[in-house]
Amino acid sequence: AQSVAQPEDQVNVAEGNPLTVKCTYSVSGNPYLFWYVQYPNRGLQFLLKYITGDNLVKGSYGFEAEFNKSQTSFHLKKPSALVSDSALYFCAVRDLYNQGGKLIFGQGTELSVKP
Amino acid sequence: DVKVTQSSRYLVKRTGEKVFLECVQDMDHENMFWYRQDPGLGLRLIYFSYDVKMKEKGDIPEGYSVSREKKERFSLILESASTNQTSMYLCASSLFRTGSSYEQYFGPGTRLTVT
Repeated sequence: AQSVAQPEDQVNVAEGNPLTVKCTYSVSGNPYLFWYVQYPNRGLQFLLKYITGDNLVKGSYGFEAEFNKSQTSFHLKKPSALVSDSALYFCAVRDLYNQGGKLIFGQGTELSVKP
Repeated sequence: DVKVTQSSRYLVKRTGEKVFLECVQDMDHENMFWYRQDPGLGLRLIYFSYDVKMKEKGDIPEGYSVSREKKERFSLILESASTNQTSMYLCASSLFRTGSSYEQYFGPGTRLTVT
């Protein structure tokens, strides 16, 4: 079965420190991977995606993600966290069994950046 | 920029009422989706549509129906609202064409309270 897992419900980081939000996936073919961010009482905003090519993908707001095929991971990273990065982060993978473009979402990771 | 709009940000309805949630996208996307989001449960897909008048059940379709009469508009209907349908409802859209990467774009959400 296809799935995506975010092993940490919450990540706490001090402002200015690097941050990592973890994501692992399980799909039967080449994955299409996505990261989204959700601020309180808002919809999800698309951050970045990996389809093919370079394993390091750059996205919005200084975020990047590293695709690692051998570890089936797609961790979200940022070199220097800001308090304004505090939000809920979702990893997603395209459902390859569905031709209609369904995404499978992780449970979300709450990122808290303290001053 | 893709824009997905939802008819209401906040909605309060009584048990047994018929409730309509409207979603409109302006980017000619083929796919449209309805999710609900509850604390600790992440995003759960209710229904999706990959073309006008086409619909597919998601993971939790019970108690809901949908309508897609025009490409840009996707409506979620609660036939008889119940308190357990109190939730945040998110609409999303994406391209469904050869070469597309299927990232979804979300509306701001509707927080529905059923009393």
